[in-house]
Amino acid sequence: QQQVKQSPQSLIVQKGGISIINCAYENTAFDYFPWYQQFPGKGPALLIAIRPDVSEKKEGRFTISFNKSAKQFSLHIMDSQPGDSATYFCAASPGTGNQFYFGTGTSLTVIP
Amino acid sequence: ETGVTQTPRHLVMGMTNKKSLKCEQHLGHNAMYWYKQSAKKPLELMFVYSLEERVENNSVPSRFSPECPNSSHLFLHLHTLQPEDSALYLCASSQGLFQEQYFGPGTRLTVT
Repeated sequence: QQQVKQSPQSLIVQKGGISIINCAYENTAFDYFPWYQQFPGKGPALLIAIRPDVSEKKEGRFTISFNKSAKQFSLHIMDSQPGDSATYFCAASPGTGNQFYFGTGTSLTVIP
Repeated sequence: ETGVTQTPRHLVMGMTNKKSLKCEQHLGHNAMYWYKQSAKKPLELMFVYSLEERVENNSVPSRFSPECPNSSHLFLHLHTLQPEDSALYLCASSQGLFQEQYFGPGTRLTVT
């Protein structure tokens, strides 16, 4: 059973637009929610992460929105740039020292 | 060399071959991981080593055999693989079990 469901599978956004990727989970024990960015030929790299004690976390143009009651979290990329074109993975973990469960990934293409 | 390196980057092998994947981390971390990445599927955790001891084996077929000779090196020995084993194999490391993981670029494996 897939622990974390991610959508959409692919996304095309105009330069300057907002990219939104959504993830949902069922396990209420999850308390750490990272997002990873993967460029072609590279491994995933941690982009931004959130814990459920806050509803939003922002780092530059990247924002995580977290809805604990709905068991959903999303990544927003503001002012999307062609250099943001990559695959994005959400993940969830039940806490320190526990395995991460990953989504299936979203391929983002930002067109000039 | 910096970060996490993996060799070879690409490998084509027949079903009867024996080969090994190598991972080296230059970060001083004490935990290392093997993941399998297949298209449209979540990252699949295969093996985990913490302080050079295997701590997790997620029901991985015996045709995959890990080895961790020291805290900086991790190997994945392959034998009699199946075509469905074709995937990107990612190595990662972290300081502390399941703390922030740093990924290598992966080995693209094709089984013919």
